[in-house]
Amino acid sequence: AQKITQTQPGMFVQEKEAVTLDCTYDTSDPSYGLFWYKQPSSGEMIFLIYQGSYDQQNATEGRYSLNFQKARKSANLVISASQLGDSAMYFCAMREGYGQNFVFGPGTRLSVLP
Amino acid sequence: DVKVTQSSRYLVKRTGEKVFLECVQDMDHENMFWYRQDPGLGLRLIYFSYDVKMKEKGDIPEGYSVSREKKERFSLILESASTNQTSMYLCASSSRRQSSYEQYFGPGTRLTVT
Repeated sequence: AQKITQTQPGMFVQEKEAVTLDCTYDTSDPSYGLFWYKQPSSGEMIFLIYQGSYDQQNATEGRYSLNFQKARKSANLVISASQLGDSAMYFCAMREGYGQNFVFGPGTRLSVLP
Repeated sequence: DVKVTQSSRYLVKRTGEKVFLECVQDMDHENMFWYRQDPGLGLRLIYFSYDVKMKEKGDIPEGYSVSREKKERFSLILESASTNQTSMYLCASSSRRQSSYEQYFGPGTRLTVT
């Protein structure tokens, strides 16, 4: 079974608008971490945001926020005020328990239109 | 700033050749990882290492081996390259001192086996 599901292979958004990228996860471990990474066409993976399973507040980092709905097992990434430079692949990832390995989703390609 | 470097950005090898991919990190991280990335599949873990001379198999270790003789360096070895190993290879590192175990990635090596 897929541990990380990203149901949107591709998304389009108009510049300056907000966009939500979906991520659902599957784990029975009460302790886990959720991550979002951005991969521009250059190939390097850039860390965006982290949410721990015990964190009470949704994580925010500048224009990025993570909409964490624990009961639904979803961890959607919200990008506010999209910029052309946001065009990239976005990966959701999970770390289970106190292990140090990540499981990645298949990714969503975001295209920001001028 | 954490720096993870990989020996080559692009590599072209022939079927049957032995291939070495090198990864070096400069932040004294204990953990190092090798992934391969294929379209629609996200990142899949090949091998990881929690310490010098230690290695663990990931999800897709067949056809690969690794070496970690020094803390900062983690090598991926394709003993006899095959065309189905044409892929993007990403190295990452993380520290147990960081509670999130965030992984820091190198720029990737795009390997083509002909």
